[in-house]
Amino acid sequence: EAGVAQSPRYKIIEKRQSVAFWCNPISGHATLYWYQQILGQGPKLLIQFQNNGVVDDSQLPKDRFSAERLKGVDSTLKIQPAKLEDSAVYLCASSLERRFNEQFFGPGTRLTVL
Amino acid sequence: AQTVTQSQPEMSVQEAETVTLSCTYDTSESDYYLFWYKQPPSRQMILVIRQEAYKQQNATENRFSVNFQKAAKSFSLKISDSQLGDAAMYFCAYTEMGGSQGNLIFGKGTKLSVKP
Repeated sequence: EAGVAQSPRYKIIEKRQSVAFWCNPISGHATLYWYQQILGQGPKLLIQFQNNGVVDDSQLPKDRFSAERLKGVDSTLKIQPAKLEDSAVYLCASSLERRFNEQFFGPGTRLTVL
Repeated sequence: AQTVTQSQPEMSVQEAETVTLSCTYDTSESDYYLFWYKQPPSRQMILVIRQEAYKQQNATENRFSVNFQKAAKSFSLKISDSQLGDAAMYFCAYTEMGGSQGNLIFGKGTKLSVKP
């Protein structure tokens, strides 16, 4: 079974530029999560999708972050414009359904904002 | 708001020995899940063990076991017969069984080193 795929693995941008991350969850997983992991901290949930609908985006900085999950499969997370404090690893995870099942994590995208 | 605290930023253990990682949490809920996740260097996070709050019996998975003290809101991880491959960041995490289910709340992590 293929795992959660993410790309790119690394990204370096200047502040005020925009960036997008892509995630392909495990086939058949209805729930998809984006987490932000700042160096030295545990991951923090940004947004949670159930199929292609948002069920929790309370911690997403909506003035600069956006996310979508078209057709209930792949998802993209965008930052526009980026700030220095957005430097972090962005993790995507998926699970069979929102009612608790194990969350499987992707390798993450390490973003550096200069 | 729920919080998860890991008070040990770093721990070290000799190969084949036993080590215990600490975790405390704060919640007003009675039904929830607790987890330990492992994040090896430059590799993806994987689930080590999970505990349902309504279960009194402590969860075990091979060399990994937990000591769940619900009244004390404590959830420690014991790794027996430590192996070099156990070296990683370990995160304690919490999620509700109710409406916010799926929103994992993580601690800051404990970096475990294993000495040969």
